[in-house]
Amino acid sequence: GDSVTQMEGPVTLSEEAFLTINCTYTATGYPSLFWYVQYPGEGLQLLLKATKADDKGSNKGFEATYRKETTSFHLEKGSVQVSDSAVYFCALSASGGYNKLIFGAGTRLAVHP
Amino acid sequence: DGGITQSPKYLFRKEGQNVTLSCEQNLNHDAMYWYRQDPGQGLRLIYYSQIVNDFQKGDIAEGYSVSREKKESFPLTVTSAQKNPTAFYLCASSPGQGQAEAFFGQGTRLTVV
Repeated sequence: GDSVTQMEGPVTLSEEAFLTINCTYTATGYPSLFWYVQYPGEGLQLLLKATKADDKGSNKGFEATYRKETTSFHLEKGSVQVSDSAVYFCALSASGGYNKLIFGAGTRLAVHP
Repeated sequence: DGGITQSPKYLFRKEGQNVTLSCEQNLNHDAMYWYRQDPGQGLRLIYYSQIVNDFQKGDIAEGYSVSREKKESFPLTVTSAQKNPTAFYLCASSPGQGQAEAFFGQGTRLTVV
């Protein structure tokens, strides 16, 4: 079945460091791909999305490119801030009508001053 | 404001009691979902509903029940048959058709003592 695999955390960075969180997926057809962010004690917020191959989603300095050849959707940010500390989830919505989201296990990011 | 409201934010129950978690949305979305999140883990799908008066089991439906009598409401009952009910519960909704993203509520933290 469809699945999402994320790099394990926690990821610990200093402020202004470069961030990469790896995400790969397994799916039939052409899924849409998403990154969600969860702050402590909160629900999930959509960070960015891409709906077809080679699309780049971007928001708040974060970017991810839909790579069909490598089945990947890695999250990147050039300069992280303390306020970026959160848990990041990669997810896919399978093609073929009904869009049930499938999530990765999440990656915790801790950014220190 | 449009969005998804979960209530209450914190809930305590004694073992052996059923408890119902509320989820209401005013986004006019057709689809609604319930996820369970355990510490340090990803989201697991409990139940989902594509349309009023219809719902399907997710990956971990045992010990839970739902109803979808109105488009805007999708309450989740955690029954006494659920072996380990203490968790963070997240409700979400999406337009249903296509591969649009889901919108999440703020979650309910259930503690069974």
